[in-house]
Amino acid sequence: DGGITQSPKYLFRKEGQNVTLSCEQNLNHDAMYWYRQDPGQGLRLIYYSQIVNDFQKGDIAEGYSVSREKKESFPLTVTSAQKNPTAFYLCASSILYGNSYEQYFGPGTRLTVT
Amino acid sequence: DAKTTQPPSMDCAEGRAANLPCNHSTISGNEYVYWYRQIHSQGPQYIIHGLKNNETNEMASLIITEDRKSSTLILPHATLRDTAVYYCIVRAMDSNYQLIWGAGTKLIIKP
Repeated sequence: DGGITQSPKYLFRKEGQNVTLSCEQNLNHDAMYWYRQDPGQGLRLIYYSQIVNDFQKGDIAEGYSVSREKKESFPLTVTSAQKNPTAFYLCASSILYGNSYEQYFGPGTRLTVT
Repeated sequence: DAKTTQPPSMDCAEGRAANLPCNHSTISGNEYVYWYRQIHSQGPQYIIHGLKNNETNEMASLIITEDRKSSTLILPHATLRDTAVYYCIVRAMDSNYQLIWGAGTKLIIKP
């Protein structure tokens, strides 16, 4: 089945540690995205990538880093510089061209930092 | 900031039509209206989108007013599984592909 996978579903880390969240898609989509969601709020864009080896900062990129070495993969690293990393993280992908850019989302990773 | 305004919550009886309003009074001519929903603790799911004509698919119908300043998402026969947060988003097709998300409407379907 085609789709987006994120792992793990739940992740616990100690403050001061970097942690990498996985995102893989087999939809052959060019664009991939990382969002953060806090309780009761909408999604906020962290980073997005339209092509391999290129990515752009979203609204809340500080304290995060990404890489896009393969079309299928867009891992997100939450660094110790992120002041409030506990959140629900969502990865998405979409096509780039045409008149419809619906984004397909993974199941999310819930990160808790103590 | 999100360019849409939605009520924070709504109830609907199971089997009835759920009508979710969205105000987007500052929408530009090249901006589409998108609807997504998010069931608790899952990733959002695309529902439908439109520019100015009404649209229908297997999930829902989208009614956009003639002045395009508001729209309504209609779930024709709501089921308990339709309980979710519904997001209305406007975005231009020549944007950098970003979606600006508001807080959405929490729709609760009651038996």
